Amino acid sequence: ETGVTQTPRHLVMGMTNKKSLKCEQHLGHNAMYWYKQSAKKPLELMFVYNFKEQTENNSVPSRFSPECPNSSHLFLHLHTLQPEDSALYLCASSLGQGDQPQHFGDGTRLSIL
Amino acid sequence: EDKVVQSPLSLVVHEGDTVTLNCSYEVTNFRSLLWYKQEKKAPTFLFMLTSSGIEKKSGRLSSILDKKELFSILNITATQTGDSAIYLCVPWSYSGYALNFGKGTSLLVTP
Repeated sequence: ETGVTQTPRHLVMGMTNKKSLKCEQHLGHNAMYWYKQSAKKPLELMFVYNFKEQTENNSVPSRFSPECPNSSHLFLHLHTLQPEDSALYLCASSLGQGDQPQHFGDGTRLSIL
Repeated sequence: EDKVVQSPLSLVVHEGDTVTLNCSYEVTNFRSLLWYKQEKKAPTFLFMLTSSGIEKKSGRLSSILDKKELFSILNITATQTGDSAIYLCVPWSYSGYALNFGKGTSLLVTP
């Protein structure tokens, strides 16, 4: 139990669907992150939020839309995804933004049909 | 462009062996280096290194940083099958918010 919970654990969706990934942390952290991990590739940072404000968008396509309503919750809204978007999506949080150790959730395994 | 190179890319050892994992980096405005262990899913934090020559230890794991030569090593003594994982070395810079994750070293410890 890392203190970071992601739901759902698995998601299969068609290219025209709209779905959302949810992340919740119970660690009192102020920074939250979305990462993508494709098969046999390094973790790729997608978005960073610090105190609910987006501070980093790593050139992510607009079909991925993050939302951070408060420091404990982070969403990733998905629509009209492509097959190459199939991957493990990991959420992480840290006390502050910067070189603070990040605590990761177990991820959502996303498959696009 | 920032760069992280870990070696070896993969390694198979027997239980009880000692392993040394290497990480070399080129990062502008280097600030610190973090080590993570990734088993089946989420990476878990191991160490954060900011100063050269100061060894950090946690049980059978230890790590050290050389800021002059731009590398770090992670040692695991008396390896166990539970040490099987991908080990990620992540340098951090003052000028960026992003952790530069590399491909890591995949370690397999056989009984």
